[in-house]
Amino acid sequence: GENVEQHPSTLSVQEGDSAVIKCTYSDSASNYFPWYKQELGKGPQLIIDIRSNVGEKKDQRIAVTLNKTAKHFSLHITETQPEDSAVYFCAASNPQGGYQKVTFGTGTKPHVIP
Amino acid sequence: DTGVSQNPRHKITKRGQNVTFRCDPISEHNRLYWYRQTLGQGPEFLTYFQNEAQLEKSRLLSDRFSAERPKGSFSTLEIQRTEQGDSAMYLCASSLRSQGLRNEQFFGPGTRLTVL
Repeated sequence: GENVEQHPSTLSVQEGDSAVIKCTYSDSASNYFPWYKQELGKGPQLIIDIRSNVGEKKDQRIAVTLNKTAKHFSLHITETQPEDSAVYFCAASNPQGGYQKVTFGTGTKPHVIP
Repeated sequence: DTGVSQNPRHKITKRGQNVTFRCDPISEHNRLYWYRQTLGQGPEFLTYFQNEAQLEKSRLLSDRFSAERPKGSFSTLEIQRTEQGDSAMYLCASSLRSQGLRNEQFFGPGTRLTVL
């Protein structure tokens, strides 16, 4: 089955600086890569996603890149703000029996320093 | 609130007891998923329903676990003879099949189970 590795597990970033979270996946059949943000006491919420036929996607202060050959994908957060403090999960999704099965990474918790 | 709801939000039980959790998905969503999340980990897939049919179960779902979605709307997850290792957050998510590849899953707030 799919295996998703995510690094780092925590990171400290000065408010206003950029943060990068990196993930790798193992199954070349994975074709959709969502990123979720989970705030304390809440379920994960989709913040951005990318399909396997796209190399980069940007939405305001967040961007994702995908290197399908290397099976790497990354989340970039620019101009970090205190409200960016949450746990971020990358995920890889592949078609199985008519639906997209999602495998999550282990999470990254950025600590934004004011 | 038209999002995914889960009840109860917290459950404390003694080892050996049975517990049941409920998930109410977004009303028009025909796909429903259960995940388990332990501290410091991402959600792990447990099972998936399309309408009332349970189409996939993870090996994580031992025979003490059973899930139902009797009318293709709400779902229940029951754990029999709970063990301390069952302590986790149980997350429910739903999605709409017509979203195709994107298959955005909307998560509920979870039920936190503590087995003493």
